[in-house]
Amino acid sequence: QVQLVQSGAEVKKPGASVKVSCKASGYSFPSYGITWVRQAPGQRLEWMGWITPYNRNTNYAQKFQGRVTMTADTSTSTAYMELRGLRSDDTAVYYCARQETLDSWGQGTLVTVSS
Amino acid sequence: DIQMTQSPSSLSASVGDRVTITCRASQGIRNDLGWYQQKPGKAPKRLIYAVSSLQSGVPSRFSGSGSGTEFTLTITSLQPEDFATYYCLQHDTYPITFGQGTRLEIK
Repeated sequence: QVQLVQSGAEVKKPGASVKVSCKASGYSFPSYGITWVRQAPGQRLEWMGWITPYNRNTNYAQKFQGRVTMTADTSTSTAYMELRGLRSDDTAVYYCARQETLDSWGQGTLVTVSS
Repeated sequence: DIQMTQSPSSLSASVGDRVTITCRASQGIRNDLGWYQQKPGKAPKRLIYAVSSLQSGVPSRFSGSGSGTEFTLTITSLQPEDFATYYCLQHDTYPITFGQGTRLEIK
């Protein structure tokens, strides 16, 4: 079955960067896009962008342009999301999901930004 | 950006009740709409895709309908495990956007 397993929780200081991984199994990784979504405490889900692993094409939300980089390694079936210049309002659970239709989700990675 | 407005924001209901959640899009989104269920501390889970198609493994008491800009999720005969937060999502136009969520609580 489709499974997305994310890396563990992170605590970062303001201004630092974080890189979250998402390892896929149970399907052909290059054939399906990976979407990244985040959820700040008590807030709605927020789309950050997506990547198509087979050609590494990306589409980022305007809000994160210049601060986010999404990559994919087809040899390990792993997608990555790096967010730079962290601020306290970046504290959130970050999810990866398959396709733009988000049919399967990772378990989430809590990123806490605090001095 | 396409705004997705869900109503109600919260809802109290009893086991066995029928409930309906509405999602309105600020412009037409064809059939590019899904519904998700999220329980505390867990990732969202897709229930419905393409407006009315039931995700494999999801009970048939969940159904979706609508067109254009107005969509509904209906749960017939609520079960204890259905008390959760529900989100709609449009993927017709980037950026993909979510509704603000509907919290379904036990009365």
